[in-house]
Amino acid sequence: QQQVKQSPQSLIVQKGGISIINCAYENTAFDYFPWYQQFPGKGPALLIAIRPDVSEKKEGRFTISFNKSAKQFSLHIMDSQPGDSATYFCAARTRQGAQKLVFGQGTRLTINP
Amino acid sequence: EPEVTQTPSHQVTQMGQEVILRCVPISNHLYFYWYRQILGQKVEFLVSFYNNEISEKSEIFDDQFSVERPDGSNFTLKIRSTKLEDSAMYFCASSDPGLFRDGYTFGSGTRLTVV
Repeated sequence: QQQVKQSPQSLIVQKGGISIINCAYENTAFDYFPWYQQFPGKGPALLIAIRPDVSEKKEGRFTISFNKSAKQFSLHIMDSQPGDSATYFCAARTRQGAQKLVFGQGTRLTINP
Repeated sequence: EPEVTQTPSHQVTQMGQEVILRCVPISNHLYFYWYRQILGQKVEFLVSFYNNEISEKSEIFDDQFSVERPDGSNFTLKIRSTKLEDSAMYFCASSDPGLFRDGYTFGSGTRLTVV
């Protein structure tokens, strides 16, 4: 029940296209859903995050869509650029206790020029 | 922007040796964490530390692991007798529960290689 399932494992998108990464969870105690971007040799960096009381959050080219009833959320990257090529992790966290993050398996995104 | 600083960036050690990974969390944060990422895999929670004690640990965090906050700024992860399967990136993180979006910051990691 603590798992967060992420798909696809890898994704290739043409420059200017839309990249879509999906995640699903089971634990209804999760109430914070961040997306992290990771470049090789670096730590995860917070990209965008959402709470379950909203269905969508947009920051620049990055949008999170959240479906509370389906327990799913997704990251959309509009006008994808080669610099967006990285590994993306969805995660979930509860506000209680240690507030640890549970990560998805990651998606390696490649944007072809 | 405040950062979580980790040292060393890369550590090579022989199997059975003790290693200490060091972290300087963001100064006004209250929770401190260690996560691990085996090459090509997802980031996994190891342990959280709050109010000078472990608040939660995963099944990975067995008796070979320990954490310590020896002073007001450092946070360390010790692996007492390293195994080959301990080879991974180890990330320190800190958070401030009062900040929702920006409260969780990761360091750049220490790559531990056990030979």
